Amino acid sequence: GQNIDQPTEMTATEGAIVQINCTYQTSGFNGLFWYQQHAGEAPTFLSYNVLDGLEEKGRFSSFLSRSKGYSYLLLKELQMKDSASYLCAVPDSNYQLIWGAGTKLIIKP
Amino acid sequence: GAVVSQHPSWVICKSGTSVKIECRSLDFQATTMFWYRQFPKQSLMLMATSNEGSKATYEQGVEKDKFLINHASLTLSTLTVTSAHPEDSSFYICSARDPSGSEFLFNNEQFFGPGTRLTVL
Repeated sequence: GQNIDQPTEMTATEGAIVQINCTYQTSGFNGLFWYQQHAGEAPTFLSYNVLDGLEEKGRFSSFLSRSKGYSYLLLKELQMKDSASYLCAVPDSNYQLIWGAGTKLIIKP
Repeated sequence: GAVVSQHPSWVICKSGTSVKIECRSLDFQATTMFWYRQFPKQSLMLMATSNEGSKATYEQGVEKDKFLINHASLTLSTLTVTSAHPEDSSFYICSARDPSGSEFLFNNEQFFGPGTRLTVL
């Protein structure tokens, strides 16, 4: 079967760094997406990893290890506006995205 | 960049009525569109995959007669919730992909519409 796991909720302090983990079990691999979703809004694209390693994009970085079925999203210099749900998703062979349940990130001043 | 719009952004209707939601790709041709439903504090649930010119493929447990999907053109897909009931109240989101388009960095990328909040009284 196919499965994606990520923590339900995390809390961090403004200005700090937080790492959101995602583990996946899929038949085949077509890359891994991270999306950000604010309450009441649609998801917005953050990153896509298909090769092992770390990809940095401003304050956000995403890491992938295909052998371990593991990815993480790293958020630096946290801002209050980063409070949102972060969704890990893996496309199947039909290009349908298999979604994790999402990690709700709460930023405290 | 690729833009997907949805209309309406929110709708309130009486139980038993039908509601149509439109999903449009504004600056690209979407050969495939996906319809999702999201209940509060839950993740996205794929309802169906819609390919232009063919019948939609529904996920297990989604009633095709209740959630009618039409993808008649490369820029428009519609979802009609027939005989809506309060339990159908949810956030409906569409997404679109076109791997042949230059707007897409990756074949797998989906662009999401802003969502439609449906409340059935």
